[in-house]
Amino acid sequence: AQSVTQPDARVTVSEGASLQLRCKYSYSATPYLFWYVQYPRQGLQLLLKYYSGDPVVQGVNGFEAEFSKSNSSFHLRKASVHWSDSAVYFCAVTLTGYQNFYFGKGTSLTVIP
Amino acid sequence: EAGVTQSPRYAVLQEGQAVSFWCDPISGHDTLYWYQQPRDQGPQLLVYFRDEAVIDNSQLPSDRFSAVRPKGTNSTLKIQSAKQGDTATYLCASSLEGAAETLYFGSGTRLTVL
Repeated sequence: AQSVTQPDARVTVSEGASLQLRCKYSYSATPYLFWYVQYPRQGLQLLLKYYSGDPVVQGVNGFEAEFSKSNSSFHLRKASVHWSDSAVYFCAVTLTGYQNFYFGKGTSLTVIP
Repeated sequence: EAGVTQSPRYAVLQEGQAVSFWCDPISGHDTLYWYQQPRDQGPQLLVYFRDEAVIDNSQLPSDRFSAVRPKGTNSTLKIQSAKQGDTATYLCASSLEGAAETLYFGSGTRLTVL
């Protein structure tokens, strides 16, 4: 079955520390991959997306993600987090030729000052 | 450029009552989505339109939910007889036609069914 898995429901890190949020997908073909962020009482906003090419993609606010076909993963990283990064992060996928997006359950990030 | 606008922001109702949600997408975006986001979950697609046509409503509980986009711009999602299990945030998103285009989300309507 097709699925998007974010194994960590909650992550807590100290300000200035590095961050990795995990995402694994299960699809028969290589999907298009996205990371969205949701701040409290707001809609989701795009952080970055991957279609093809260089497996490391850069996003907004210093975020980057790395696609691994062999691991079926698309992990999000940041070298040094700020308290304002506290939010819920969603991994999402869609397939070539489709416009239906599938979202993971999200990872709630808390950055401790 | 104005973003995706949704109203109302909040709705509280008793089981069995009806409620409608309204969405105004970004101007020029031909594709419009309605997602249901239960608490502590990711968004789950209910229905999406390209212009005024429904492309996929397979996840829409058709006995109680309906959605329209009559002129290919604004859209309304209606729940005829709400249940407690419908408690969630309802998100509208829009995008330009094309595979894997970025979704632009509204702030959502938080529905509580008592």
